[in-house]
Amino acid sequence: GEDVEQSLFLSVREGDSSVINCTYTDSSSTYLYWYKQEPGAGLQLLTYIFSNMDMKQDQRLTVLLNKKDKHLSLRIADTQTGDSAIYFCARGAGSYQLTFGKGTKLSVIP
Amino acid sequence: KAGVTQTPRYLIKTRGQQVTLSCSPISGHRSVSWYQQTPGQGLQFLFEYFSETQRNKGNFPGRFSGRQFSNSRSEMNVSTLELGDSALYLCASSFGGSRGTDTQYFGPGTRLTVL
Repeated sequence: GEDVEQSLFLSVREGDSSVINCTYTDSSSTYLYWYKQEPGAGLQLLTYIFSNMDMKQDQRLTVLLNKKDKHLSLRIADTQTGDSAIYFCARGAGSYQLTFGKGTKLSVIP
Repeated sequence: KAGVTQTPRYLIKTRGQQVTLSCSPISGHRSVSWYQQTPGQGLQFLFEYFSETQRNKGNFPGRFSGRQFSNSRSEMNVSTLELGDSALYLCASSFGGSRGTDTQYFGPGTRLTVL
């Protein structure tokens, strides 16, 4: 299977919460990242979490890490149409070589 | 603080040609990494440079090469272009600390089309 896996699509209604999930196989991952990519643009860093943390909150974003199950999630509260984009989960393991998932396309229905 | 800049933003080349892409990191950042993004393979790591030295390399053929200058600006070169090299090429910069944990910030990318 893939090193980092994400579901490809998620559709939510404006104002609802979105939860984007990610699983990874390499337990040596030290940092886990969430990036956002809008059409025609590069990657925007949203947030990251150290592997020794369980949760991190940053305004509307909450990251949960279950290290035992190698599962990472990104929750976006009060999802807005401007949140429509592709969200990438990535892991780093002590070098500057990030391994990315295929990305989850989030569609927000007004 | 200015972000990561990449030039050019768009390029069209034909098979067999070569191409050079440029990346200027955030001021103070000494590490530059390059990634290729395609619909089929997703985001794949090409290489990383720090202080003019390649520290890490992904699984790409030798046609893909790079270098870094003393001001931390980096270039990547692709020789003998193939149709499959059509992609968005992204560079990322970071402080480049030895633990490999500094956050990477990405530029807008260069869209390369090979005809």
